[in-house]
Amino acid sequence: GNSVTQMEGPVTLSEEAFLTINCTYTATGYPSLFWYVQYPGEGLQLLLKATKADDKGSNKGFEATYRKETTSFHLEKGSVQVSDSAVYFCALSDNTGKLIFGQGTTLQVKP
Amino acid sequence: SAVISQKPSRDICQRGTSLTIQCQVDSQVTMMFWYRQQPGQSLTLIATANQGSEATYESGFVIDKFPISRPNLTFSTLTVSNMSPEDSSIYLCSVEDGDRGVNTEAFFGQGTRLTVV
Repeated sequence: GNSVTQMEGPVTLSEEAFLTINCTYTATGYPSLFWYVQYPGEGLQLLLKATKADDKGSNKGFEATYRKETTSFHLEKGSVQVSDSAVYFCALSDNTGKLIFGQGTTLQVKP
Repeated sequence: SAVISQKPSRDICQRGTSLTIQCQVDSQVTMMFWYRQQPGQSLTLIATANQGSEATYESGFVIDKFPISRPNLTFSTLTVSNMSPEDSSIYLCSVEDGDRGVNTEAFFGQGTRLTVV
């Protein structure tokens, strides 16, 4: 069945460091891919998405490219801020509306 | 975008009791889902709430434990029945907005943090 695997956390970075959170997936067909973010004490929010191969999703300085050849959707940001501290979830949808989530990666950014 | 209100936001319950969680959406939506996020874990889909028919449950979840109602296109409830400490989790309502398969985006409620003692 479909599944999502994320790099384990927590990830601790200094402000302005480069961020990569790895995400790989297993799926049949052509899923849509998502990154969701959960800030402390808040609900889950969509960060970015890509619906087909080679699409790049971007938002708030974060980017991820849908790589079908490597079944990956790694999240990157060139310069993280303290306010980026949160839990990040990679997810896929087989376009039935259901989401399958990775295990989540906690990011802590220190000033 | 859809705005979702979930109640209660948190509760502490005695084992053996039941809790009903409400999810209200500010617009009519076709698809509504219930997820569980156990402590330190990812989100797992419990079921799809179908309007006018029984919910569709994922493997490992049963109607007797998690009965769901969906009386209309803007409202759903999830009941956690005969609770045990293992049911302590965050329960989240989600709706799908957009054209299926192309512009699909899922929106989430704030979640209900349940602690069973």
